[in-house]
Amino acid sequence: GNSVTQMEGPVTLSEEAFLTINCTYTATGYPSLFWYVQYPGEGLQLLLKATKADDKGSNKGFEATYRKETTSFHLEKGSVQVSDSAVYFCALSERGGGFKTIFGAGTRLFVKA
Amino acid sequence: DTGVSQDPRHKITKRGQNVTFRCDPISEHNRLYWYRQTLGQGPEFLTYFQNEAQLEKSRLLSDRFSAERPKGSFSTLEIQRTEQGDSAMYLCASSLSGRPSGMSEQFFGPGTRLTVL
Repeated sequence: GNSVTQMEGPVTLSEEAFLTINCTYTATGYPSLFWYVQYPGEGLQLLLKATKADDKGSNKGFEATYRKETTSFHLEKGSVQVSDSAVYFCALSERGGGFKTIFGAGTRLFVKA
Repeated sequence: DTGVSQDPRHKITKRGQNVTFRCDPISEHNRLYWYRQTLGQGPEFLTYFQNEAQLEKSRLLSDRFSAERPKGSFSTLEIQRTEQGDSAMYLCASSLSGRPSGMSEQFFGPGTRLTVL
């Protein structure tokens, strides 16, 4: 079945450091890929998405590129801020599954001032 | 506020009691999803509706769980004879199907946190 694997956390960085959170997926078809973010005490928010191979999703300085050949969708940001501290979830959704979303386990990011 | 709303936000109950949660999706959205999230894990799919039809149920949804969407608008999730293992955050999401790409973003509600004592 479909699945998402993302790097374990927590990830601790200093402000202005470069961020990469790795994500790989397994899917039977051609899924859409997402990164969701959950800030402390808040609900899930869509951060960015990509619907086909080689698409790049971007938002708030975060980027991720849909790599079909490596089945990956790694999240990157050039310079993190303390306000980026949150849990990040990689996810996929596929037409054949009624577009239900399959999530990774999440990666907690701590950014120190 | 036109987002997805859930009620209650928190529920504490004793083992063996029944609980019911409500989700109000974004008004024009025809798809509604329920997920469960336990501490330190990503949300897990439970079930989804297209309009009033329940089209898929996860094997996580035991016979103690039942979900309805009677008029294709709000939905309820009931858990009978709660167990401590049911303690989790229950998330609702909605989306609009039929877009040209076939794919539409899911919008999540704030969740209902259930604690079973």
